[in-house]
Amino acid sequence: GENVEQHPSTLSVQEGDSAVIKCTYSDSASNYFPWYKQELGKRPQLIIDIRSNVGEKKDQRIAVTLNKTAKHFSLHITETQPEDSAVYFCAASFGNEKLTFGTGTRLTIIP
Amino acid sequence: EAGVAQSPRYKIIEKRQSVAFWCNPISGHATLYWYQQILGQGPKLLIQFQNNGVVDDSQLPKDRFSAERLKGVDSTLKIQPAKLEDSAVYLCASSSRLRAGYNEQFFGPGTRLTVL
Repeated sequence: GENVEQHPSTLSVQEGDSAVIKCTYSDSASNYFPWYKQELGKRPQLIIDIRSNVGEKKDQRIAVTLNKTAKHFSLHITETQPEDSAVYFCAASFGNEKLTFGTGTRLTIIP
Repeated sequence: EAGVAQSPRYKIIEKRQSVAFWCNPISGHATLYWYQQILGQGPKLLIQFQNNGVVDDSQLPKDRFSAERLKGVDSTLKIQPAKLEDSAVYLCASSSRLRAGYNEQFFGPGTRLTVL
């Protein structure tokens, strides 16, 4: 089955700086890669997703890049703000099959 | 539109007791998922329903966990008997697959289970 590894497990950045979280996946058939943000005690919420026929996608301060050959994808957050502090999860799936989640990255924005 | 609803939000039981969780997905969403999220980890799929049929229950500990989705709408997840290691947040999610090829899932608030 699919295995998703996520790094780093914790990340602290100064407010205004950029943050990058990286994930690798094992199943070359996976074709859908979402990123979820989970604030303390709250539900995971989708912040951006990408399909394997696209190499990069941006939404304001958030971008995701995908390298199918290397089987890795990354989340980029620019101009970080205190409200970006949360746990971020990457995930991967093939078609309509289950999402396999990474282990999460706790992002802390230092004011 | 209303989001995914779950109840109860919190539950504390002793080991060997039974517990049940309820989920009501977003209206019209045919696919429903139950995940287990242990503290500090990512959600792990327990079971996936498409309408009222099971699509994937390969990671469901069937000796103690059961789930049903009668009528293809709301769903219940049961644990009987509970063990200490079942302490976790149980998340329900649903998806409509309106965006072809995008398995966009919407999560409920979760039920935090503590087994003493």
